[in-house]
Amino acid sequence: SQQGEEDPQALSIQEGENATMNCSYKTSINNLQWYRQNSGRGLVHLILIRSNEREKHSGRLRVTLDTSKKSSSLLITASRAADTASYFCATDVSGTYKYIFGTGTRLKVLA
Amino acid sequence: DTEVTQTPKHLVMGMTNKKSLKCEQHMGHRAMYWYKQKAKKPPELMFVYSYEKLSINESVPSRFSPECPNSSLLNLHLHALQPEDSALYLCASSQRTSGYPPEQFFGPGTRLTVL
Repeated sequence: SQQGEEDPQALSIQEGENATMNCSYKTSINNLQWYRQNSGRGLVHLILIRSNEREKHSGRLRVTLDTSKKSSSLLITASRAADTASYFCATDVSGTYKYIFGTGTRLKVLA
Repeated sequence: DTEVTQTPKHLVMGMTNKKSLKCEQHMGHRAMYWYKQKAKKPPELMFVYSYEKLSINESVPSRFSPECPNSSLLNLHLHALQPEDSALYLCASSQRTSGYPPEQFFGPGTRLTVL
């Protein structure tokens, strides 16, 4: 399977703390994207990092990419209860418009 | 309009029924996708349409039949489904570019239950 792996599978933190989740993938990529999914709903795109980038920021989000290790991390700083959701990384299959989603991290932020 | 809409929100059908899921976007995107998502699992790609033509079929059983009548609409026709087909069906769209694949915009999904 080309599916990426994410860890941890589940994460529970207090409001105001930082949350870090990791994604590993198997094949070469053009870019890696992170999505958020609130319970039982559609996915929302958070951030895209290209294969020639190492770090990217967007508001409280910081994404890193290490193509030599085929891994990425998503850091959410100063978390809020509204950040409670599942987070998925997605990688493209080089040469196609096919996306492979990682297994996901379920984040719970306690108020 | 940066929204992908899906109808219906919920669908319950028997194994002998024929039903259709509908997806619509007005962002001018020329790539549209169907995904299937089981509970606590990631979305799994089913089909990709590019410029209204089917470009990827992930070996999906023929009881699922996609259709792209125009650049804004994507349908998924369902026939003789099995209970294990019960899932959240997500539609997405993205721009077609000559460079890196861009981000996808997802609809809220249709929750399908097959009895």
